[in-house]
Amino acid sequence: DTGVSQDPRHKITKRGQNVTFRCDPISEHNRLYWYRQTLGQGPEFLTYFQNEAQLEKSRLLSDRFSAERPKGSFSTLEIQRTEQGDSAMYLCASSTGQGVGEQYFGPGTRLTVT
Amino acid sequence: QKEVEQNSGPLSVPEGAIASLNCTYSDRVSQSFFWYRQYSGKSPELIMSIYSNGDKEDGRFTAQLNKASQYVSLLIRDSQPSDSATYLCAAQTGANNLFFGTGTRLTVIP
Repeated sequence: DTGVSQDPRHKITKRGQNVTFRCDPISEHNRLYWYRQTLGQGPEFLTYFQNEAQLEKSRLLSDRFSAERPKGSFSTLEIQRTEQGDSAMYLCASSTGQGVGEQYFGPGTRLTVT
Repeated sequence: QKEVEQNSGPLSVPEGAIASLNCTYSDRVSQSFFWYRQYSGKSPELIMSIYSNGDKEDGRFTAQLNKASQYVSLLIRDSQPSDSATYLCAAQTGANNLFFGTGTRLTVIP
């Protein structure tokens, strides 16, 4: 299977701890996106990379959130000092960057902050 | 006004009927439009994209776009119980990120 993969699939952490999630995009896709989805809502855009460059960040992405894509392949999303409000599904998507850029999502990482 | 708005439903249709899902969008998002299907507990799956006015058909799915009315719809013909899911409408800005509606929950009754 050559789709988008994410790890871990589930993460339970205590408030105040740091967590890091990984996303591996489809291999030929140079654009990578992070979204967050809470129950009953559609995904909300967090940030976007073209190759290794982080080109856009949502104002939803507080200072506690940081994302990297060091070699233009996989990406990591770190949340520092987690809060209960961070509990959500974190989704990664990738696209080719050609044309209108259909985005394909990974299975997501479900974060629960206790 | 939100960038993309959908009726949250639920929408129930009998098996074999046509399901019609609707979405409106604001002036701030106007380039490309997508429909995603999301089963409970799973991630969104792309099922249709549409970029210009008119209809686009793919199997049992037809997407319709009317830019003058800022309206996008998805028709599912011969609905099956396996079509029961939440359908997310998404619009893409020039910056390439997607704005999603809250989704419409569809139930197909056998």
